[in-house]
Amino acid sequence: GAGVSQSPSNKVTEKGKDVELRCDPISGHTALYWYRQSLGQGLEFLIYFQGNSAPDKSGLPSDRFSAERTGGSVSTLTIQRTQQEDSAVYLCASSLTGTGKETQYFGPGTRLLVL
Amino acid sequence: GENVEQHPSTLSVQEGDSAVIKCTYSDSASNYFPWYKQELGKRPQLIIDIRSNVGEKKDQRIAVTLNKTAKHFSLHITETQPEDSAVYFCAASSVQTGANNLFFGTGTRLTVIP
Repeated sequence: GAGVSQSPSNKVTEKGKDVELRCDPISGHTALYWYRQSLGQGLEFLIYFQGNSAPDKSGLPSDRFSAERTGGSVSTLTIQRTQQEDSAVYLCASSLTGTGKETQYFGPGTRLLVL
Repeated sequence: GENVEQHPSTLSVQEGDSAVIKCTYSDSASNYFPWYKQELGKRPQLIIDIRSNVGEKKDQRIAVTLNKTAKHFSLHITETQPEDSAVYFCAASSVQTGANNLFFGTGTRLTVIP
């Protein structure tokens, strides 16, 4: 079946502009995660959605970052007033129930470059 | 929160040799430890995981060991092949706060030299 998809695959923007990154999880997966991977670094947790529960936003680095998940499926990560340090690969993952002991399936990522 | 450290950051081995990657974690409540492999330009994919109720798990040439007392776990790859070349990430899941996100190590770039 279809895996996690993300769009766009690449995004180049100017400093100060807003960007929106999209994630389509695997159908039926209730949990959705956003991670950031900076060059040569590990995966940094940003935000986690599970079903209709309030999202865990504890990983968001600043109030310029926000995310929503509409209808329990598609998620959008928004970065306002982008800065050069926001340049990274943004990865989305989904899992079946979000119990914490199950496989997370990753999307291909969106490579963001802020000039 | 959880802090996962991973060593080494880079590792080169001759084809056929073994490779070992080590991770430590800080939160004693963590109970799930997956390993992900990320080939160049591709998405991370789970290769093996271990839960805290076991000390070792094997899957063909890959094995993972867990020492809960010392709070460290390791990935062992035997008979390495060029296609094993990738970045490997360890992770730990801490459910203490109710969150189920994974805390990742910084990765190990493994190069298998033919």
